[in-house]
Amino acid sequence: AAGVIQSPRHLIKEKRETATLKCYPIPRHDTVYWYQQGPGQDPQFLISFYEKMQSDKGSIPDRFSAQQFSDYHSELNMSSLELGDSALYFCASSLADGFSGNTIYFGEGSWLTVV
Amino acid sequence: GESVGLHLPTLSVQEGDNSIINCAYSNSASDYFIWYKQESGKGPQFIIDIRSNMDKRQGQRVTVLLNKTVKHLSLQIAATQPGDSAVYFCAEMSDNAGNMLTFGGGTRLMVKP
Repeated sequence: AAGVIQSPRHLIKEKRETATLKCYPIPRHDTVYWYQQGPGQDPQFLISFYEKMQSDKGSIPDRFSAQQFSDYHSELNMSSLELGDSALYFCASSLADGFSGNTIYFGEGSWLTVV
Repeated sequence: GESVGLHLPTLSVQEGDNSIINCAYSNSASDYFIWYKQESGKGPQFIIDIRSNMDKRQGQRVTVLLNKTVKHLSLQIAATQPGDSAVYFCAEMSDNAGNMLTFGGGTRLMVKP
């Protein structure tokens, strides 16, 4: 079965550069989530979208922005990168039907290293 | 703030034994709980979930128990195998927090052959 696809899998950027991560949800899923996981840490919720509209916002820095497009894929844009942004970024998707309890499936993540 | 956390950071078990991973949560409004398995460098993999109107749910070799009175969640893995070695996270979601899934601290399960 198709899973959540993330690209690129690995990315190396210098400080103050920008980076864009892409996420392609499971077909027919209309909700996308972004999480950040530092080394040895729990995944931290950044932001989510439902039907191309932002639905929830977590600990996403102002330097980051995201959107969901008409084909439901999502992009996370990160600017003015800092060393502390080095982490594994996960995208997840689910089929939202108005209440909690829909299984959320995660992609394999994008490794961002800021040097 | 509300949080989800685990009691033990590392659990070492013998192959074939049963494993129990525990999780405590503090948000009394949580109504949906999920256990994820994460192998090194990979994304969290869904294992099993349970709603707050249930006490127990079983899957293949896994059982999740929910005790709402003490806000405690556990994952039981029967006949633990080397392939079960990973970090396990519990996560919770509540209707009043939209679609935001909050993860607790992970527990590393190490299976000794």
